[in-house]
Amino acid sequence: QSALTQPASVSGSPGQSITISCTGTSSDVGGYNYVSWYQQHPGKAPKLMIYDVSNRPSGASNRFSGSKSGNTASLTISGLQAEDEADYYCSSYTSSSTPYVFGTGTKVTVL
Amino acid sequence: EVQLVESGGGLVKPGGSLRLSCAASGFTFSSYSMNWVRQAPGKGLEWVSSISSSSSYIYYADSVKGRFTISRDNAKNSLYLQMNSLRAEDTAVYYCARGPLGTTLTTYVDYWGQGTLVTVSS
Repeated sequence: QSALTQPASVSGSPGQSITISCTGTSSDVGGYNYVSWYQQHPGKAPKLMIYDVSNRPSGASNRFSGSKSGNTASLTISGLQAEDEADYYCSSYTSSSTPYVFGTGTKVTVL
Repeated sequence: EVQLVESGGGLVKPGGSLRLSCAASGFTFSSYSMNWVRQAPGKGLEWVSSISSSSSYIYYADSVKGRFTISRDNAKNSLYLQMNSLRAEDTAVYYCARGPLGTTLTTYVDYWGQGTLVTVSS
Protein backbone atom coordinates (compact mmCIF):
# COMPACT_ATOMS: atom_id res chain seq x y z
CA GLN A 1 0.00 0.00 0.00
CA SER A 2 1.56 3.28 -1.09
CA ALA A 3 1.32 6.43 0.96
CA LEU A 4 -1.33 8.96 0.04
CA THR A 5 0.04 11.85 -2.02
CA GLN A 6 0.32 15.33 -0.51
CA PRO A 7 2.20 18.43 -1.71
CA ALA A 8 5.56 18.74 -0.01
CA SER A 9 4.95 22.32 1.05
CA VAL A 10 2.27 24.99 1.18
CA SER A 11 2.70 28.56 2.38
CA GLY A 12 0.55 31.56 3.11
CA SER A 13 0.52 34.89 4.87
CA PRO A 14 -1.15 35.50 8.23
CA GLY A 15 -4.91 35.80 7.85
CA GLN A 16 -5.02 34.00 4.52
CA SER A 17 -6.61 30.61 3.81
CA ILE A 18 -4.64 27.67 2.49
CA THR A 19 -5.69 24.23 1.31
CA ILE A 20 -3.71 20.99 1.47
CA SER A 21 -4.69 18.16 -0.85
CA CYS A 22 -4.45 14.42 -0.20
CA THR A 23 -4.82 12.12 -3.19
CA GLY A 24 -5.46 8.42 -2.97
CA THR A 25 -7.48 5.83 -4.84
CA SER A 26 -10.92 4.26 -4.79
CA SER A 27 -9.51 1.68 -2.34
CA ASP A 28 -8.86 4.30 0.31
CA VAL A 29 -9.79 8.00 0.15
CA GLY A 30 -12.41 7.58 -2.53
CA GLY A 31 -13.99 4.44 -1.12
CA TYR A 32 -14.61 5.39 2.49
CA ASN A 33 -15.46 8.44 4.56
CA TYR A 34 -12.56 7.67 6.88
CA VAL A 35 -10.09 10.43 6.08
CA SER A 36 -8.37 12.14 8.99
CA TRP A 37 -5.80 14.93 9.33
CA TYR A 38 -2.99 15.40 11.84
CA GLN A 39 -0.85 18.39 12.79
CA GLN A 40 2.71 17.84 14.02
CA HIS A 41 5.01 20.51 15.40
CA PRO A 42 8.77 19.76 15.43
CA GLY A 43 9.73 17.31 18.15
CA LYS A 44 6.12 16.80 19.22
CA ALA A 45 3.56 14.03 18.83
CA PRO A 46 0.93 14.45 16.12
CA LYS A 47 -2.46 15.94 17.02
CA LEU A 48 -5.78 14.94 15.45
CA MET A 49 -7.39 17.91 13.67
CA ILE A 50 -10.10 16.30 11.51
CA TYR A 51 -11.65 12.82 11.43
CA ASP A 52 -14.19 11.08 9.19
CA VAL A 53 -13.50 13.63 6.40
CA SER A 54 -14.97 16.72 8.02
CA ASN A 55 -15.50 16.24 11.75
CA ARG A 56 -13.49 18.28 14.21
CA PRO A 57 -12.58 16.79 17.61
CA SER A 58 -12.86 18.86 20.73
CA GLY A 59 -9.73 20.89 21.15
CA ALA A 60 -9.16 21.46 17.44
CA SER A 61 -9.59 25.03 16.20
CA ASN A 62 -12.66 25.77 14.08
CA ARG A 63 -10.31 27.42 11.58
CA PHE A 64 -9.59 23.90 10.34
CA SER A 65 -12.05 22.19 8.01
CA GLY A 66 -12.02 19.07 5.85
CA SER A 67 -13.72 17.90 2.69
CA LYS A 68 -13.50 15.22 0.03
CA SER A 69 -14.23 14.91 -3.67
CA GLY A 70 -13.64 11.62 -5.41
CA ASN A 71 -10.21 10.26 -4.56
CA THR A 72 -8.92 13.57 -3.17
CA ALA A 73 -9.43 14.94 0.33
CA SER A 74 -8.59 18.47 1.40
CA LEU A 75 -7.73 20.31 4.60
CA THR A 76 -8.39 24.04 4.67
CA ILE A 77 -6.88 26.34 7.26
CA SER A 78 -8.65 29.69 7.45
CA GLY A 79 -7.25 32.83 9.05
CA LEU A 80 -3.74 31.43 8.99
CA GLN A 81 -1.75 32.06 12.18
CA ALA A 82 1.91 31.69 13.09
CA GLU A 83 1.08 28.73 15.36
CA ASP A 84 -0.28 26.84 12.32
CA GLU A 85 3.25 26.43 10.98
CA ALA A 86 3.78 22.67 11.23
CA ASP A 87 3.73 19.43 9.27
CA TYR A 88 0.33 18.06 8.29
CA TYR A 89 -0.52 14.46 7.45
CA CYS A 90 -3.67 12.98 6.02
CA SER A 91 -4.63 9.37 6.56
CA SER A 92 -7.29 6.96 5.45
CA TYR A 93 -8.70 3.53 6.10
CA THR A 94 -7.91 1.29 3.13
CA SER A 95 -9.18 -2.04 1.87
CA SER A 96 -5.64 -3.20 1.09
CA SER A 97 -3.60 -5.67 3.16
CA THR A 98 -2.33 -2.70 5.21
CA PRO A 99 -5.63 -1.29 6.50
CA TYR A 100 -4.50 2.20 7.50
CA VAL A 101 -2.25 4.53 5.53
CA PHE A 102 -0.80 8.00 6.04
CA GLY A 103 -0.05 10.67 3.48
CA THR A 104 3.43 11.82 2.54
CA GLY A 105 3.11 14.96 4.67
CA THR A 106 2.95 18.69 3.93
CA LYS A 107 5.05 21.39 5.56
CA VAL A 108 3.01 24.54 6.10
CA THR A 109 4.97 27.77 6.29
CA VAL A 110 3.46 31.03 7.52
CA LEU A 111 5.21 33.84 5.68
CA GLU B 1 -6.91 13.40 31.19
CA VAL B 2 -5.91 10.78 28.63
CA GLN B 3 -2.27 9.79 28.98
CA LEU B 4 -0.21 7.32 26.96
CA VAL B 5 3.38 6.71 28.06
CA GLU B 6 5.69 4.56 25.95
CA SER B 7 8.81 2.82 27.21
CA GLY B 8 11.27 0.16 26.13
CA GLY B 9 13.06 1.90 23.28
CA GLY B 10 16.81 1.89 22.88
CA LEU B 11 19.76 0.77 20.77
CA VAL B 12 19.67 -2.77 19.38
CA LYS B 13 21.78 -4.61 16.81
CA PRO B 14 20.35 -5.78 13.48
CA GLY B 15 18.57 -9.09 13.96
CA GLY B 16 17.90 -8.32 17.61
CA SER B 17 14.67 -7.97 19.55
CA LEU B 18 12.99 -5.32 21.64
CA ARG B 19 9.68 -5.05 23.48
CA LEU B 20 7.87 -1.74 23.68
CA SER B 21 5.24 -0.96 26.31
CA CYS B 22 2.58 1.72 26.54
CA ALA B 23 0.91 2.56 29.84
CA ALA B 24 -2.54 4.09 29.44
CA SER B 25 -4.53 6.15 31.91
CA GLY B 26 -7.43 8.60 32.04
CA PHE B 27 -9.88 6.49 30.02
CA THR B 28 -11.47 3.02 29.93
CA PHE B 29 -8.61 1.27 28.17
CA SER B 30 -10.55 -1.95 27.58
CA SER B 31 -13.11 -0.14 25.41
CA TYR B 32 -10.74 1.24 22.77
CA SER B 33 -8.70 -0.16 19.93
CA MET B 34 -5.02 0.74 20.14
CA ASN B 35 -2.27 1.31 17.62
CA TRP B 36 1.44 1.67 17.09
CA VAL B 37 2.63 4.31 14.62
CA ARG B 38 6.27 5.03 13.83
CA GLN B 39 8.27 7.87 12.35
CA ALA B 40 11.79 7.43 11.03
CA PRO B 41 14.15 10.37 11.65
CA GLY B 42 13.18 13.24 9.36
CA LYS B 43 10.48 11.16 7.66
CA GLY B 44 6.71 10.86 7.67
CA LEU B 45 4.30 8.81 9.75
CA GLU B 46 3.87 5.08 9.15
CA TRP B 47 1.10 3.03 10.73
CA VAL B 48 2.56 -0.19 12.15
CA SER B 49 -0.14 -2.24 13.86
CA SER B 50 -3.53 -2.14 15.56
CA ILE B 51 -5.42 -4.33 18.03
CA SER B 52 -9.11 -4.23 18.86
CA SER B 53 -10.39 -3.71 22.38
CA SER B 54 -10.72 -7.44 23.13
CA SER B 55 -7.69 -8.49 21.06
CA SER B 56 -9.99 -10.29 18.61
CA TYR B 57 -8.81 -8.28 15.60
CA ILE B 58 -5.14 -7.62 14.93
CA TYR B 59 -3.62 -5.97 11.87
CA TYR B 60 -0.06 -5.26 10.73
CA ALA B 61 1.64 -3.20 8.06
CA ASP B 62 3.21 -5.38 5.38
CA SER B 63 6.63 -3.99 6.35
CA VAL B 64 6.50 -5.62 9.81
CA LYS B 65 4.24 -8.63 9.26
CA GLY B 66 5.83 -11.80 10.61
CA ARG B 67 8.40 -9.88 12.69
CA PHE B 68 6.32 -7.74 15.06
CA THR B 69 3.58 -8.84 17.46
CA ILE B 70 1.08 -6.49 19.08
CA SER B 71 -0.68 -7.42 22.31
CA ARG B 72 -2.51 -5.82 25.20
CA ASP B 73 -3.36 -6.50 28.84
CA ASN B 74 -6.61 -4.78 29.72
CA ALA B 75 -6.20 -5.61 33.40
CA LYS B 76 -2.94 -3.64 33.41
CA ASN B 77 -4.10 -0.89 30.99
CA SER B 78 -1.09 -1.69 28.85
CA LEU B 79 -0.24 -2.11 25.18
CA TYR B 80 2.83 -3.92 23.89
CA LEU B 81 4.83 -4.35 20.71
CA GLN B 82 7.26 -7.26 20.48
CA MET B 83 9.76 -6.52 17.71
CA ASN B 84 11.96 -9.35 16.40
CA SER B 85 14.44 -9.61 13.54
CA LEU B 86 14.98 -5.87 13.67
CA ARG B 87 16.44 -4.08 10.66
CA ALA B 88 18.10 -0.71 10.20
CA GLU B 89 14.94 0.53 8.47
CA ASP B 90 12.96 -0.09 11.68
CA THR B 91 14.84 2.82 13.29
CA ALA B 92 12.16 5.30 14.30
CA VAL B 93 10.23 6.95 17.08
CA TYR B 94 7.39 4.59 17.97
CA TYR B 95 4.13 6.15 19.12
CA CYS B 96 1.33 4.47 21.00
CA ALA B 97 -2.01 5.90 19.83
CA ARG B 98 -5.65 5.39 20.75
CA GLY B 99 -8.18 4.39 18.11
CA PRO B 100 -11.91 5.01 18.04
CA LEU B 101 -14.24 3.78 20.77
CA GLY B 102 -15.85 0.40 20.26
CA THR B 103 -14.72 -0.41 16.72
CA THR B 104 -12.47 -3.04 15.19
CA LEU B 105 -11.20 -0.70 12.48
CA THR B 106 -8.58 2.00 12.75
CA THR B 107 -10.28 4.94 11.07
CA TYR B 108 -8.41 7.58 13.07
CA VAL B 109 -6.28 7.91 16.20
CA ASP B 110 -7.22 10.62 18.64
CA TYR B 111 -4.56 10.56 21.37
CA TRP B 112 -0.84 9.93 21.02
CA GLY B 113 1.97 9.27 23.45
CA GLN B 114 5.24 11.19 23.25
CA GLY B 115 7.00 8.29 21.60
CA THR B 116 10.02 6.09 22.31
CA LEU B 117 13.07 5.97 20.05
CA VAL B 118 14.24 2.65 18.64
CA THR B 119 17.65 2.64 16.96
CA VAL B 120 18.79 -0.43 15.04
CA SER B 121 22.51 -0.24 14.39
CA SER B 122 25.64 -2.31 14.74
